[in-house]
Amino acid sequence: SQTIHQWPATLVQPVGSPLSLECTVEGTSNPNLYWYRQAAGRGLQLLFYSVGIGQISSEVPQNLSASRPQDRQFILSSKKLLLSDSGFYLCAWELQRQGIYTFGSGTRLTVV
Amino acid sequence: GQNIDQPTEMTATEGAIVQINCTYQTSGFNGLFWYQQHAGEAPTFLSYNVLDGLEEKGRFSSFLSRSKGYSYLLLKELQMKDSASYLCAVRDNYGQNFVFGPGTRLSVLP
Repeated sequence: SQTIHQWPATLVQPVGSPLSLECTVEGTSNPNLYWYRQAAGRGLQLLFYSVGIGQISSEVPQNLSASRPQDRQFILSSKKLLLSDSGFYLCAWELQRQGIYTFGSGTRLTVV
Repeated sequence: GQNIDQPTEMTATEGAIVQINCTYQTSGFNGLFWYQQHAGEAPTFLSYNVLDGLEEKGRFSSFLSRSKGYSYLLLKELQMKDSASYLCAVRDNYGQNFVFGPGTRLSVLP
């Protein structure tokens, strides 16, 4: 069966520090991968999606970046965090555009 | 543009029936999805509609009218564990991503 792992679960980082969140999927090949952010009490905002290794599409211009170095690995990064980067970050995968997302457990990031 | 509207909050009583509405305006349409999200957790998939009509899945049913840009999620025999946010999401015509609505926070009272 397919599983998705996301870590860390919580993170407190000072403003200006770097960020690296990792997401891996098991039990499937060539998934579509997504990074979403959810601010407190808000809806899900798509940040990046990837349909294959090295293929990244950005939906919202900001100081975040994403990379997909391997088929089942998706990384969200920042060189310098802003206070506004605080939120609940969710990785998701989808098999062959079936339309059903499976989300990771999420990372709650607080920038102080 | 893309816009999805849902009521912000709803309250219902254990054992009752509740209907959560969703209206959408998107660039094309390729399916409407409902997700459940408990506080502090990731969303989980509930149901989806591609064609008009009602899809039933146990205590949960979802309805779609594409001509009206309207959907609802119907929850029957409410249980305390149904207290959660319910997210409506629409897949656009390009099929590459969903647009999520802001979610409806449902509180089930004893």
